[in-house]
Amino acid sequence: EIVMTQSPATLSVSPGERATLSCRASQSVSSDVVWYQQKPGQAPRLLIYGPSTRATGIPARFSGSGSGTEFTLTISSLQSEDFAVYYCQQYNKWPRTFGQGTKVEIK
Amino acid sequence: QVQLQESGPGLVKPSQTLSLTCTVSGGSISSGGYYWSWIRQHPGKGLEWIGYIYYSGYTYYNPSLKSRVNVSVDTSKNQFSLQLSSVTAADTAVYFCARGVRANWFDPWGQGSLVTVSS
Repeated sequence: EIVMTQSPATLSVSPGERATLSCRASQSVSSDVVWYQQKPGQAPRLLIYGPSTRATGIPARFSGSGSGTEFTLTISSLQSEDFAVYYCQQYNKWPRTFGQGTKVEIK
Repeated sequence: QVQLQESGPGLVKPSQTLSLTCTVSGGSISSGGYYWSWIRQHPGKGLEWIGYIYYSGYTYYNPSLKSRVNVSVDTSKNQFSLQLSSVTAADTAVYFCARGVRANWFDPWGQGSLVTVSS
């Protein structure tokens, strides 16, 4: 199965700053990556698919990019509600697999 | 808008079968293009896709769990269910149901149901 590796495990960022999260696939997944946001005690919420199309209602400060094996989620100016754990997931091959997550915390 | 809600026992004994049901509201489970899925999250860990069912009854499972998993659908009740047999402590996790969009990504998700395997 395809292994998705996210880095860093934890990212400390001040409100208003830019956050850049990385996701690497163990083999090429074309552009077939999505990103989710998960807050404590909540279900993951779809942010980005395809890998750069924002889901309905997702603010423009969230953007995704990449292809092949390297993908990036960028949050241009962190708001208080953005501090959470972010997961990438590939849908190029079965079984669908997720990264281990990057926790974005307040610096 | 579509909402999903898991239900079932929060405690299961080792070697027994874990059973959960997901009730879909705000939309029909028989809508084409959606693959009704189960995903789990071990405590403090990442996410693992378990399997999905299409409204027709077609299923597909994660090979790592395939021998122990059964997912079924009841279109009359707008529900789908998960059964995981021969559970051990390693199956302790929060279990989410979710709508699979074209079997690719998952949106939305239920709130999750914590299942603990313990005697």
